[in-house]
Amino acid sequence: IAGITQAPTSQILAAGRRMTLRCTQDMRHNAMYWYRQDLGLGLRLIHYSNTAGTTGKGEVPDGYSVSRANTDDFPLTLASAVPSQTSVYFCASSDSTSPTDTQYFGPGTRLTVL
Amino acid sequence: GQNIDQPTEMTATEGAIVQINCTYQTSGFNGLFWYQQHAGEAPTFLSYNVLDGLEEKGRFSSFLSRSKGYSYLLLKELQMKDSASYLCAIMDSNYQLIWGAGTKLIIKP
Repeated sequence: IAGITQAPTSQILAAGRRMTLRCTQDMRHNAMYWYRQDLGLGLRLIHYSNTAGTTGKGEVPDGYSVSRANTDDFPLTLASAVPSQTSVYFCASSDSTSPTDTQYFGPGTRLTVL
Repeated sequence: GQNIDQPTEMTATEGAIVQINCTYQTSGFNGLFWYQQHAGEAPTFLSYNVLDGLEEKGRFSSFLSRSKGYSYLLLKELQMKDSASYLCAIMDSNYQLIWGAGTKLIIKP
């Protein structure tokens, strides 16, 4: 693994189903983030984690949950998917101890909820 | 409230220069970022400004005026591969990134 990976690449999901989006980074970054990107809108933060064992809510957390059991992995779970959760989901990570705290993004997961 | 404004779309000619503006009003300021995003791909980091002035990196430069809440990204010697969306983001007082909707740049031969 080089950088940050996400799985699956894309998914079509029936409404009401549970779904976990996976995110793994090998850069030993302490901070990780989940965003959704919708047409005409900026990236919106769903949840974040500043370090393993801690998580926080972003701008649009409702309907989503996350966990951070270790440094590398940061899964995002939709407990009961709804059509408004159709979006492209990006995971990102950063070294928040660095002066610039630049975020690096995974390739994204395109999710369609029917 | 927090607000970041960028033009929705711009068109420029291969070999020319284009300036993409970003104005912002946010709760606190801990830096401004520019990212490039090709269609169907992830955003990739271009530049970071935290002090007023111009930061130059090859064909790309980014300018910041904190007092005016204003930044621009300048792209010189445009190439077809520069066709992409350019995202402006502000790191706010909570060290979270607030993102603009992005500017889609179309390069014509």
